[in-house]
Amino acid sequence: AQSVSQHNHHVILSEAASLELGCNYSYGGTVNLFWYVQYPGQHLQLLLKYFSGDPLVKGIKGFEAEFIKSKFSFNLRKPSVQWSDTAEYFCAVGFTGTASKLTFGTGTRLQVTL
Amino acid sequence: EAGVAQSPRYKIIEKRQSVAFWCNPISGHATLYWYQQILGQGPKLLIQFQNNGVVDDSQLPKDRFSAERLKGVDSTLKIQPAKLEDSAVYLCASSPHRGVYTEAFFGQGTRLTVV
Repeated sequence: AQSVSQHNHHVILSEAASLELGCNYSYGGTVNLFWYVQYPGQHLQLLLKYFSGDPLVKGIKGFEAEFIKSKFSFNLRKPSVQWSDTAEYFCAVGFTGTASKLTFGTGTRLQVTL
Repeated sequence: EAGVAQSPRYKIIEKRQSVAFWCNPISGHATLYWYQQILGQGPKLLIQFQNNGVVDDSQLPKDRFSAERLKGVDSTLKIQPAKLEDSAVYLCASSPHRGVYTEAFFGQGTRLTVV
């Protein structure tokens, strides 16, 4: 069965530190990949997405993610985090051929300290 | 552009009671999703509508959960009777196109507590 794994459950960083959040999925077919963010008290918002083409995608607020097909990974990165990046981050994978289901990982809570 | 509207924002009920949630998607969006997000977990798809037809309800506990999307616009999700393990945030999302080739826009969610 298709699944999405986020191994970092809670990450604490100081401002200006670099960020990398892992996301792996299990599926041999074509996928569409997303990162969503949920700021405290707010709804889920799309951070970035990958459908095809350049495997390095750039999203809002300086975030980027790299799709590595051979590793079934879609890790999220940011060179220098800000206090305002404190939020929960969800990786989501759209598995084609399964009625367009969008499957989410368990999420990573990022806490950025001043 | 108005976002996905959900109500109520919070609901507390006793077990075995019934509850209903309402969702108004973004205008013109054909696809509507209901997700359940239990504390500490990612959202889990309960049901997906394409216009007013059900595309996927494989993870919907049909003995107690039901959903409808009349006229292909608003949707309601009902739980009857509720169990303690139904305590969660219920998220509604919509997207303009069929399939996963586009993003889903989420509402604020309804936080349900079953006591």
